[in-house]
Amino acid sequence: DAQVVQSGGGWVQPGGSLRLSCAASGFTFTDYYVDWVRQAPGKGLEWIGRTRNKANYYTMEYAASVKGRFSISRDDSRTSVYLQMNSLKTEDTAVYFCSRSPKYDDNALGFWGQGTLVTVSS
Amino acid sequence: QSVLTQPPSASGTPGQTVTISCSGSSSNIGSTYVYWYQHLPGTAPRLLIYRNNQRPSGVPDRFSASRSGASASLAVSGLRSEDEGDYYCAAWDEDLGGRLFGAGTKLTVL
Repeated sequence: DAQVVQSGGGWVQPGGSLRLSCAASGFTFTDYYVDWVRQAPGKGLEWIGRTRNKANYYTMEYAASVKGRFSISRDDSRTSVYLQMNSLKTEDTAVYFCSRSPKYDDNALGFWGQGTLVTVSS
Repeated sequence: QSVLTQPPSASGTPGQTVTISCSGSSSNIGSTYVYWYQHLPGTAPRLLIYRNNQRPSGVPDRFSASRSGASASLAVSGLRSEDEGDYYCAAWDEDLGGRLFGAGTKLTVL
């Protein structure tokens, strides 16, 4: 069965950096879009960005709130996607989810990771 | 502030039908697909509806959705206690060039 497993996260001071990982189990990310979504404490879901699949040249798009600070990348083995977060602010504190598209719709968020908590605080 | 507007809460008794609305604009719901996600406490979000009204395999047919113009709605029929949680509509926004989520609707089963 296809699964998405997340790792990384933790506590970081404002201005610091952190990298989150999203690993594929039972498939490779080559043919799928991968999105990052976060949920701040007591708030709703917020889209952060996505990387398209190989057929769409792995192009990336980001929300205005993180553009220039966060970046998404993939590894050569096509089994992991990363979210590099720089210049972190206290308002970036949230549970971060990665999600893979299902085969039937590139724009759906079909397979979600378990989420990982990022706390930005001094 | 979300550009997709949902009511903050909805409720019903077991067996009832509850409808959650999602209002957008011509740059999102009016021109792109609508998606619905269920987020139960302590779990990862789950895709309930894709492409306005399609259910992924495994989603009960108690969940249905529709879109009309720049608005959409999700109906949950035969309400069950395990349906309690947060429900989000989502759509791509052509002007923003990004995915939007509604602020979410907290569904309570009385």
